[in-house]
Amino acid sequence: SQTIHQWPATLVQPVGSPLSLECTVEGTSNPNLYWYRQAAGRGLQLLFYSVGIGQISSEVPQNLSASRPQDRQFILSSKKLLLSDSGFYLCAWSVGTGPSPLHFGNGTRLTVT
Amino acid sequence: DAKTTQPPSMDCAEGRAANLPCNHSTISGNEYVYWYRQIHSQGPQYIIHGLKNNETNEMASLIITEDRKSSTLILPHATLRDTAVYYCIVRVGGDMRFGAGTRLTVKP
Repeated sequence: SQTIHQWPATLVQPVGSPLSLECTVEGTSNPNLYWYRQAAGRGLQLLFYSVGIGQISSEVPQNLSASRPQDRQFILSSKKLLLSDSGFYLCAWSVGTGPSPLHFGNGTRLTVT
Repeated sequence: DAKTTQPPSMDCAEGRAANLPCNHSTISGNEYVYWYRQIHSQGPQYIIHGLKNNETNEMASLIITEDRKSSTLILPHATLRDTAVYYCIVRVGGDMRFGAGTRLTVKP
């Protein structure tokens, strides 16, 4: 069966520090991968999605970037964190271009101080 | 993707059926209806999806009206652990756009 792993679960970082969040999927090949962010008390906002290695689409211009160095690995990065980057970051995967649902990881709660 | 409308909150008594409505009057013919829920501080959990026919799995039932302009998610015997925000989404494929959802509170 397929599983998705995100780490770390929680992270506290100072303003101006770099960020790297990692997501890996097991049990499937060539998944579509997604990064979402959820601010406190708000809905989910799509940040990036990828349909293959090295293929990244950005939904919202911001202080963050994403990379997909391997088929089942998706990384969210920042060179210098802002206070507004605080939130709950979620990785998700799906397969194909049809109606298969997205499956989410357990998320990383990032607090920028 | 079509937009959905859900009530912001609902209560349900423990052991009773929870019926969560969703309006999607602008749904197109190839868009599916999906339901997710999010328990506090966890990632959204996929529940069920359907196109035209009613669907049932171990978690819930999905009833889609004949004109597909609305649907209802049914949790047949709600427990306290079903307290969560429930999201109704319509989509053809690709990413998913989440709205505000319905906050369901199951009360003892």
